[in-house]
Amino acid sequence: DADVTQTPRNRITKTGKRIMLECSQTKGHDRMYWYRQDPGLGLRLIYYSFDVKDINKGEISDGYSVSRQAQAKFSLSLESAIPNQTALYFCATSDLSQGKAGELFFGEGSRLTVL
Amino acid sequence: EDQVTQSPEALRLQEGESSSLNCSYTVSGLRGLFWYRQDPGKGPEFLFTLYSAGEEKEKERLKATLTKKESFLHITAPKPEDSATYLCAVQAYGTASKLTFGTGTRLQVTL
Repeated sequence: DADVTQTPRNRITKTGKRIMLECSQTKGHDRMYWYRQDPGLGLRLIYYSFDVKDINKGEISDGYSVSRQAQAKFSLSLESAIPNQTALYFCATSDLSQGKAGELFFGEGSRLTVL
Repeated sequence: EDQVTQSPEALRLQEGESSSLNCSYTVSGLRGLFWYRQDPGKGPEFLFTLYSAGEEKEKERLKATLTKKESFLHITAPKPEDSATYLCAVQAYGTASKLTFGTGTRLQVTL
């Protein structure tokens, strides 16, 4: 089984629908992240969480919300999806240890298409 | 604002033909520079961390180097299985572990 699991892997939805992407990890890491990847724009940080009670906005958080249900679970919601949120979404984790914070472990991605 | 620029966008090599990928960066204070490999349909996979100018890291046919303005990923005698997109990212001091990624170099190694 993968250390970082994302569901669903693929989703097609319509404008205005609410969508939730889920992420669970078995690495025991405290830090979790949501990124989106678009052609030509690279990976951009949406939200990150350093523990269950700590949630922070990334560079492109508008239109998104997150929930850290447990140390191992971090979900991303699009309250009212729009077509420019069509992208590949990645969940990632990292270790709290000094020097390891930049070593991210990624899930396999959730491809979201908003029509 | 931290910026990462990778070149070339795409590179096609024949098996055994060595080359280098470039990652130029501007950052307020570099805490670390990271290289990742991404296969199609997969999430990025961590390769190296570099912390200071002059540092080098090696793994199989890959060697990463760092200067004050750029990093290189040298690929020696590549094989088809090295085909992937290689991503560079930087982390600045005071940014709470946030990484700024480049757009990647797509490498294809042919027989």
